[in-house]
Amino acid sequence: KAGVTQTPRYLIKTRGQQVTLSCSPISGHRSVSWYQQTPGQGLQFLFEYFSETQRNKGNFPGRFSGRQFSNSRSEMNVSTLELGDSALYLCASSPSTGDRSGYTFGSGTRLTVV
Amino acid sequence: SQKIEQNSEALNIQEGKTATLTCNYTNYSPAYLQWYRQDPGRGPVFLLLIRENEKEKRKERLKVTFDTTLKQSLFHITASQPADSATYLCALVTGGFKTIFGAGTRLFVKA
Repeated sequence: KAGVTQTPRYLIKTRGQQVTLSCSPISGHRSVSWYQQTPGQGLQFLFEYFSETQRNKGNFPGRFSGRQFSNSRSEMNVSTLELGDSALYLCASSPSTGDRSGYTFGSGTRLTVV
Repeated sequence: SQKIEQNSEALNIQEGKTATLTCNYTNYSPAYLQWYRQDPGRGPVFLLLIRENEKEKRKERLKVTFDTTLKQSLFHITASQPADSATYLCALVTGGFKTIFGAGTRLFVKA
């Protein structure tokens, strides 16, 4: 079966702009989580969606938001981009919230803010 | 404060030896713990899960231990191979189903 698909793979944006990243989970998976990965901080949890509802949220400013659609596809949005938002953004899917089988991650979107 | 610590220094070992990676945590009460492998430019790949009431879990050349008293998990790769070279991440899953990752340890296996 197809894996987790994230688009785009690479993105360059200017400070102050906004960006939308997309994630299509594995078919049948209803939970989608988003993580930011930077060399200094590792994987930082952004939020988790299940059945179109945000179930958990990390400690990120309100500029970071997300949503999930009825087909489980998810988008995250970052407004008013800052240089420090440059990172690899990873999406992970699982059958349900707290599923013990582990996440399946996409290959990520590399965002560079200049 | 809550912390998950993995050795930030890279681990270099010779092919055929056992690699042991450490994950320590404070101020968490994890329901279970996961280990992932990440290659450069790719997302992490799930390897193993161990529950709080389990002491040890094995999968092929991989072994994970979980000591809730020491608040520590050890991840072992026996008979290591150059193809095992990657970054290994531990992740705690709390009772509230939030998954928190460590920063990872880079492993280099030399032929």
